[in-house]
Formats: sequence, structure tokens, C-alpha cells
Amino acid sequence: EAGVAQSPRYKIIEKRQSVAFWCNPISGHATLYWYQQILGQGPKLLIQFQNNGVVDDSQLPKDRFSAERLKGVDSTLKIQPAKLEDSAVYLCASSPRGAIGTGELFFGEGSRLTVL
Amino acid sequence: AQSVTQLDSHVSVSEGTPVLLRCNYSSSYSPSLFWYVQHPNKGLQLLLKYTSAATLVKGINGFEAEFKKSETSFHLTKPSAHMSDAAEYFCVVSEGDTGRRALTFGSGTRLQVQP
Repeated sequence: EAGVAQSPRYKIIEKRQSVAFWCNPISGHATLYWYQQILGQGPKLLIQFQNNGVVDDSQLPKDRFSAERLKGVDSTLKIQPAKLEDSAVYLCASSPRGAIGTGELFFGEGSRLTVL
Repeated sequence: AQSVTQLDSHVSVSEGTPVLLRCNYSSSYSPSLFWYVQHPNKGLQLLLKYTSAATLVKGINGFEAEFKKSETSFHLTKPSAHMSDAAEYFCVVSEGDTGRRALTFGSGTRLQVQP
């Protein structure tokens, strides 16, 4: 079974530029999550989708971050404009419909963003 | 509000000796608790989970954890460390409505295994 795919793996940009990350979850997984992991910290939830609807985006900085999940499959996370403090690894995770809330998430390898 | 505290940011053990990674949690409800492992340049992987069944939980690769409500702890143990166990370990708590449960991660413990 193919895992969660993310791209790009690495991205370096200057502050005030924009960047987009892409995630393809495991086939059939209804729930998709984006997490931000700053160096030395645990992952922090940015947004949770159930199919193509948003379940929780309370910690998403909406003035600069946006995310969408068209057709309930792939998802993109965009940052515009980027700030230095956005330097982090952006993790995508998915879970099957029956695993909502059980904590059984399947993570991709992450996209490492460096903002200069 | 829920939170987890991982008491050690780094733990170093010798190969073949026991591993203990400590975690304390805070939760307003009956929580679900998990340990995830992150190997370098790899995705996070679920090691084990506690969801109000048996208090001693066995996971993959010989790891286990014991839920102690009186101590609000969920420490991760392994009788004998292997070089391949070197990784970052995260304690995670989950609470709330089933459809909206948020996972709160600890800050992580880096396990080093010396030959």
C-alpha cells in the first residue's frame, strides 16, 4: 500500500515570498491533516479535513496560510507571504474514516521549509 | 485543555540495556494516549495506543507503555535497546468529540543508543 506522498521535500524561499505544498493521502482515507513542526518542538495541527470539508482550522494563521482539499483527495497548503517564523517541517497525515479521533494517523515524510 | 509533558529531551542508553521515556499528561476528560516514533528523514509512525482498555499496552518493536491514572503518566519502556531504536519519540494525547479529536504532541524525546 502506498503511503502519504508529499512534495516538495525541501524548499528555500525569502521572506514575503509565497510557497505551496502538496499532499496525496493514502487511497480511501477520508481525513487529512496538515501539521507544522518547528525544530525542537512537537507537531502542531494547522488544519483537519473530512473529505473536502474543514473540521478544524482553529490554529491556522488565516492571514497568511490557506489550505484546500478539492474532490476530497489531494490537498495543498499555501503560505503567502512567508515570514521567518514559518521555517518548519510541514507534515501531512491521513486516516481512514473509521479511525477519526483514534489517533491512528499515517504521516508523510514532510516538506521542510526554510525562510531566509 | 489537554497537554503532555515529556520529561527528558534527550535519553542515551547502551545497546542491550532498558529504555525508559517519560511522559505525563493533563486532560479534562478520559484521554486516549499514544506514542509515535520519528526516524531521521522518515514520517511519524504509531508505536502504540491506549484507549481505555488494558492499562498495559504493547506496541511494535518490543515497546510497551503503562497508563497510570493516579500518576497521570504514560511512560514508554523497552527491556533491551537496539541500535535501530535511535529516533525521536513523541507522547500524544487526544480528547474531545469523536469526530473532532485533536492530537496534542509533546515536545519529543531524542533517544540515542550507544554501541
